[in-house]
Amino acid sequence: EAQVTQNPRYLITVTGKKLTVTCSQNMNHEYMSWYRQDPGLGLRQIYYSMNVEVTDKGDVPEGYKVSRKEKRNFPLILESPSPNQTSLYFCASSPGSGGFLFFGPGTRLTVL
Amino acid sequence: DQQVKQNSPSLSVQEGRISILNCDYTNSMFDYFLWYKKYPAEGPTFLISISSIKDKNEDGRFTVFLNKSAKHLSLHIVPSQPGDSAVYFCAASSSGSEKLVFGKGTKLTVNP
Repeated sequence: EAQVTQNPRYLITVTGKKLTVTCSQNMNHEYMSWYRQDPGLGLRQIYYSMNVEVTDKGDVPEGYKVSRKEKRNFPLILESPSPNQTSLYFCASSPGSGGFLFFGPGTRLTVL
Repeated sequence: DQQVKQNSPSLSVQEGRISILNCDYTNSMFDYFLWYKKYPAEGPTFLISISSIKDKNEDGRFTVFLNKSAKHLSLHIVPSQPGDSAVYFCAASSSGSEKLVFGKGTKLTVNP
C-alpha cells in the first residue's frame, strides 16, 4: 500500500530534550516536506527536500532541522524543543507533478 | 502576508443541501489549485484540483470553480452528506514549484 508513515504518532516531552520525528514514504517520491498545523493558522511549511541531500527552508524553519540521506526518509529534528513547538506535524511527499502531496497521519507533539 | 485565504472558519449545512466553501488568493503566479479534506486524527487527503486553464472541474458530488479575474475559487458539494464533515483546506501552487501554500481551513459540519 502506497503510504507516508510517521513515528511517533504522539509525543510528550520537556523543554530542551532533543527529539526526532521519523518520516518514510514507499512511493519513490523525490519531493518531501514537513508541515505544522496550528489552530487558526492552517498548514505551514517547515522544510522541504527536492531530492536526496537537497533540503531547503519553508516558511517556519526556526528551531527545526532535517536531513535527507535516503530518498524514502525525511526525519524532522528538534534539537532543543520549546513549548511554542507544541503542534500537529505532518510529513508529505510528492511525485513531482505540480504540488500533489500525499500526507502522513500526523504526529501530535506536546512540549512542556 | 497570507497568499491563500479561507475567510470562513466554519460552515454548517443540512444533509442533502449544497455546501459551498470559498477560497481567495493574492499571488497571480498561482496556476494550480487543490482542495484537501482532513478528518480528525488523520492527515489531509487530496480531494479535487483545477488548473488555471480551466474554470470548472467536476468529480462526482464535488465541483471546483475558478474565477481567475477575481482570484477566487470555490468548492461545491452536492448533495452534502454527514461523512463530508471535515476540515477543508484550499491550496495553491505555481508552475515549476512543488510548494503548496495552504489556507487556514474551513470546518464543514453536515447535519443529518
